[in-house]
Amino acid sequence: GIQVEQSPPDLILQEGANSTLRCNFSDSVNNLQWFHQNPWGQLINLFYIPSGTKQNGRLSATTVATERYSLLYISSSQTTDSGVYFCAVEGGSQGNLIFGKGTKLSVKP
Amino acid sequence: KAGVTQTPRYLIKTRGQQVTLSCSPISGHRSVSWYQQTPGQGLQFLFEYFSETQRNKGNFPGRFSGRQFSNSRSEMNVSTLELGDSALYLCASREPAGELFFGEGSRLTVL
Repeated sequence: GIQVEQSPPDLILQEGANSTLRCNFSDSVNNLQWFHQNPWGQLINLFYIPSGTKQNGRLSATTVATERYSLLYISSSQTTDSGVYFCAVEGGSQGNLIFGKGTKLSVKP
Repeated sequence: KAGVTQTPRYLIKTRGQQVTLSCSPISGHRSVSWYQQTPGQGLQFLFEYFSETQRNKGNFPGRFSGRQFSNSRSEMNVSTLELGDSALYLCASREPAGELFFGEGSRLTVL
């Protein structure tokens, strides 16, 4: 099956700094989503981005499907950005998301 | 419109018992899938239902089962609970274009 690797596993930033989270996947995909897991466990949708670039406020994402990676950019980070960010992909005939292990982001005031 | 609703949010069971979790998808979504999240294994796919039929299944033992009703609501059941079944169980509904939306989860503790 498809393998999903996220890097870095942990990231500590000062408030106001920018960051880039990476997601590599091992095969072509039909779906790629980025999520932020809040402290209560809910996965909050950030981007649905099987290819191309999208922006939403301080967050943006780019997926280069031909090179099998996606990037999530967080600019001017805030303490509320802390948490775990997951990349998940769906490929081939599979009808389910395969998740990476996540990047744990801590933003210090 | 309302998001994905999961009940109960928290529950505690003992080994050997069974548990049923419920999920109501976003209105108009016909696909419901379930995921298990544990610290050791991360997020893993359990199964997906579409129009009351199981369309896809992950690599879990037969103690894990599910079903979907005609109104798209879904339930999952875990029988003969084991300590390792302690986890956050997340339900997701899929819009026709493909994006999945998750509920707040049901946190199960097995003692």
